[in-house]
Amino acid sequence: QSALTQPASVSGSPGQSITLSCTGTSSDLGTYSLVSWYQQQPGTAPKLLIYDANRRPSGISDRFSGSKSGNTASLTISGLQAEDEADYYCCSYAGNRNWVFGGGTKLTVL
Amino acid sequence: QLQLQESGPGLVTPSETLSLTCAVSGGSVSSSDYFWGWVRQPPGKGLEWIGSIYSSGTTYYKPSLKSRVSISVDVSRNQLSLRLNSATAADTAVYYCARGFLLQNFDWSIGDLWGQGTLVTVSS
Repeated sequence: QSALTQPASVSGSPGQSITLSCTGTSSDLGTYSLVSWYQQQPGTAPKLLIYDANRRPSGISDRFSGSKSGNTASLTISGLQAEDEADYYCCSYAGNRNWVFGGGTKLTVL
Repeated sequence: QLQLQESGPGLVTPSETLSLTCAVSGGSVSSSDYFWGWVRQPPGKGLEWIGSIYSSGTTYYKPSLKSRVSISVDVSRNQLSLRLNSATAADTAVYYCARGFLLQNFDWSIGDLWGQGTLVTVSS
């Protein structure tokens, strides 16, 4: 059960759209679409942004969207804002009620 | 509004047992629409799923931790617990309890609700 692969860092300018990737294997993302994304601000608990690959919980801005293709899931943030600067984590179901997280991506808003 | 609150010793001696509880307020820990889990985050590193417990009492653990970990629920106290035996410095982390939830198609998702986390340091 290896961690999902995420780029360590990405950056973008305000107003831009950026896409964060999350790559897994045939044991997790390649088989299941139960992928979720979390935003974590420094010193706080993660916050659910996307679940079931592309669904947003109530209260989450529609600037956040998710997708999945094959072994890779993606989180797109449109209209980038300074407040979006944070760490982002993906998580996939890995079978037998197991879950696996990605290593996280640090998003910097320039 | 349902809230989760972790508590436990902030310092654990190597080889001893790390024990934490997560108090659930504003809702029932025994609801069949949810499961409960523990996730940890070593300082400066990513999130790691430790294990989960469902309303049936069935538990599931990360394979690499399975021999050392135990998760339980106390319905009378509305709380869940984590025990991690034979702690080492590698177990130093912020430990979160988190809720999983049932989707309309009867699949599960995880992490719609999190506690604030508690830092546990394993050191002599």
